[in-house]
Amino acid sequence: DAMVIQNPRYQVTQFGKPVTLSCSQTLNHNVMYWYQQKSSQAPKLLFHYYDKDFNNEADTPDNFQSRRPNTSFCFLDIRSPGLGDAAMYLCATSRFKETQYFGPGTRLLVL
Amino acid sequence: AQSVTQLGSHVSVSEGALVLLRCNYSSSVPPYLFWYVQYPNQGLQLLLKYTTGATLVKGINGFEAEFKKSETSFHLTKPSAHMSDAAEYFCAVSEIQGAQKLVFGQGTRLTINP
Repeated sequence: DAMVIQNPRYQVTQFGKPVTLSCSQTLNHNVMYWYQQKSSQAPKLLFHYYDKDFNNEADTPDNFQSRRPNTSFCFLDIRSPGLGDAAMYLCATSRFKETQYFGPGTRLLVL
Repeated sequence: AQSVTQLGSHVSVSEGALVLLRCNYSSSVPPYLFWYVQYPNQGLQLLLKYTTGATLVKGINGFEAEFKKSETSFHLTKPSAHMSDAAEYFCAVSEIQGAQKLVFGQGTRLTINP
């Protein structure tokens, strides 16, 4: 089945230690998104890629970066995680102007 | 700027009763509207969407929603609640143009009482 895969499902890191979250898709969608969802809150868009074009949201902290080496994969890098970065991170994909499909998410815990 | 307001952060209904989750939106352009469901520690699953055309939209698991432009609303309903419907529900809006940047409401947690 075509799908959006996120690894790992749970990630524990230490305060200030860089961490990378992974997203892959078999849908061949050209747009990939990263959302942050804190406890009991709505998902908030961090950035998205339209093909290789990176689009950052204005209020996304510089601590958050992303890479998309090819159509199938997209990575979220948190350079120096703080306690406030503990959240569920959701990856989504879509064709341009079409419905977004979400992965299961990675829950990040910062100690 | 677009925004979504979901009335009621918690809704509780009895099994078999009507489910009504309210969503109002604000958009300067004709919107795309969505309802997503999220089960604990899971990603978001699309229930239904409105883009253009028929204003009454049917989705999965017996849910439907009606787009009412005059009321700027997109309420979600299900005639008869099932225990498996217990989850968090998010209403979202996006612009038609460009990559769909979803703006979500705060979510409504639906509890089903036996």
